Amino acid sequence: DIMMTQSPDSLAVSLGERATINCKSSQSLLYSSNNKTYLNWYQQKPGQPPKLLIYWASTRQSGVPDRFSASGSGTDFTLTISSLQAEDVAVYYCQQYYNTPRTFGQGTKVEIK
Amino acid sequence: QVQIVQSGAEVRKPGASVKVSCKASGYNFRNYAINWVRQAPGQRLEWMGWINTGKGNTKYSQKFQGRVTISRDTSASTAYLELSSLTLEDTAEYYCARDLLDAAFDYWGQGTQVTVSS
Repeated sequence: DIMMTQSPDSLAVSLGERATINCKSSQSLLYSSNNKTYLNWYQQKPGQPPKLLIYWASTRQSGVPDRFSASGSGTDFTLTISSLQAEDVAVYYCQQYYNTPRTFGQGTKVEIK
Repeated sequence: QVQIVQSGAEVRKPGASVKVSCKASGYNFRNYAINWVRQAPGQRLEWMGWINTGKGNTKYSQKFQGRVTISRDTSASTAYLELSSLTLEDTAEYYCARDLLDAAFDYWGQGTQVTVSS
């Protein structure tokens, strides 16, 4: 199974400041036949199911605010919230879709400082 | 609009089975696979398996092989997760989620709490 490891486990950021979350996979998530990288980011608020933010490592899902962006390749990935808003308080998960079982990171809890 | 609605909370005793439903609306059910994911208290999200809703073929996580069955009823636009031989460690929130472009999970059900307790 591909292991997904996020860092940090939690972070506190002031409103309007940048939040950065890292995710590392135990093997490359680049599918060479189509040149797509199968890494996704989700946001989960308390009492709610996860919400898809980013797929293919950097493609923003429809309706997701542009303050959310993501980058990375191979095994190292980053999710950035450029200007943290109160409604962004949540746990963020990365997920690999490269193979089965689809595995998730342990989550990063984002709070307001 | 796309909606996915799951069945209500369940309580089971160890050794029993549970079946959770996932009803989709607002799109062609046969065109998008359905995944099942669970989240135990304090644990990361855990993928259990997937069903191709058009063809009916399934793939399961090795961890649950032999204990899990995912099925669908296309006439009802509903997918099902059945988990048998329940233990206390199966207490979790169970989610179904639609597959987007064979790339990600774009729409999720609201979750079904399954509690295993003696």
